[in-house]
Amino acid sequence: GNSVTQMEGPVTLSEEAFLTINCTYTATGYPSLFWYVQYPGEGLQLLLKATKADDKGSNKGFEATYRKETTSFHLEKGSVQVSDSAVYFCALKANFGNEKLTFGTGTRLTIIP
Amino acid sequence: EAGVAQSPRYKIIEKRQSVAFWCNPISGHATLYWYQQILGQGPKLLIQFQNNGVVDDSQLPKDRFSAERLKGVDSTLKIQPAKLEDSAVYLCASSPSLRAGGINTGELFFGEGSRLTVL
Repeated sequence: GNSVTQMEGPVTLSEEAFLTINCTYTATGYPSLFWYVQYPGEGLQLLLKATKADDKGSNKGFEATYRKETTSFHLEKGSVQVSDSAVYFCALKANFGNEKLTFGTGTRLTIIP
Repeated sequence: EAGVAQSPRYKIIEKRQSVAFWCNPISGHATLYWYQQILGQGPKLLIQFQNNGVVDDSQLPKDRFSAERLKGVDSTLKIQPAKLEDSAVYLCASSPSLRAGGINTGELFFGEGSRLTVL
């Protein structure tokens, strides 16, 4: 079945540091890939997505590139801010059958000033 | 545009008691999902509705969990009787659907969740 493996956390960085959160997946065919973010006290919200190989999703300074050859979708940001502290979830959606999302376990990110 | 509404936000019960959670999706969204998020884990799909029909309930523990979506709008998830391992956040999400003629970007819109503690 489909699965997502995400970098174990928690991750603690200083403000303005470079961020990478690793995500790899197993799926039949060519899924769509997502990063969702959960800020403290809020619901999950979409951060970015990519629907086919070599697509790059980007939002709020975050980027992730859909790499079919390595089945990866790593999240990156060049300079993190305290406001980026949250839990980040990698997810995939098969492009056939039903439209459910399969999530990774989440990575808690804390940015210290 | 109003988001996905869930209630209650928090619930504490003793094992073997029952509990119900309510969800009102974004207006016009045909697809509704209930996810269970146990502490330290990613959300796991319990049940998916398309309008008022069930699309996927393969991971719903049917001996104790039930869900319905009356008139294809809001939904209720019930647990009876609760076990200690049911302690989790129950997330409701909705999305438009290609099958409903909507534009499905693959994005799910989540509520803030209902946190259940079973003692």
